[in-house]
Amino acid sequence: AQSVTQLDSHVSVSEGTPVLLRCNYSSSYSPSLFWYVQHPNKGLQLLLKYTSAATLVKGINGFEAEFKKSETSFHLTKPSAHMSDAAEYFCVVVGSGTYKYIFGTGTRLKVLA
Amino acid sequence: KAGVTQTPRYLIKTRGQQVTLSCSPISGHRSVSWYQQTPGQGLQFLFEYFSETQRNKGNFPGRFSGRQFSNSRSEMNVSTLELGDSALYLCASSLGAQGASYEQYFGPGTRLTVT
Repeated sequence: AQSVTQLDSHVSVSEGTPVLLRCNYSSSYSPSLFWYVQHPNKGLQLLLKYTSAATLVKGINGFEAEFKKSETSFHLTKPSAHMSDAAEYFCVVVGSGTYKYIFGTGTRLKVLA
Repeated sequence: KAGVTQTPRYLIKTRGQQVTLSCSPISGHRSVSWYQQTPGQGLQFLFEYFSETQRNKGNFPGRFSGRQFSNSRSEMNVSTLELGDSALYLCASSLGAQGASYEQYFGPGTRLTVT
């Protein structure tokens, strides 16, 4: 069965410093993976997706993620945090066979001035 | 292109009542999925509709039901409301069915409070 683990429930960074949000997945097949962001009282917005093309995926707002099969990881990074990046981030794996979106528990990013 | 819209945005109901939430997908999208989001349980998949057929269902009781119309608009219904049904209900649409690597686009959600 597919699953996804977000290793940190909360991450704090200073504005202008790098962001790293960690995600590990479990999948029997080559997975499809997504990162979504949710700002307070808003719906989820797609940041980027991996679907077995390039292992380094670039998304919106300067975010990118690298698919590492050997480590079963899909960590989200950004070189320089901005105050507007403060939000909750969700890693998603698409379940092969069930075809369901499986969400991680989320990582709340706090950006300090 | 207009995004996913959900109505109403906020709703307050009493235990035992029923409620219907509505979702209009992005034009051309045929798949609509519903999720429940709570602080304790996070994001949980309710069900997915594709071309008016329920394609997938999560682990929710039968009080939760849905349907999709020929124009891809979808409704979900919760009967006999319980306090634990208080949540943000999110609708998402995609071009194709889940699992086909189509990304989902989410609406702003309906905040349901059960008193």
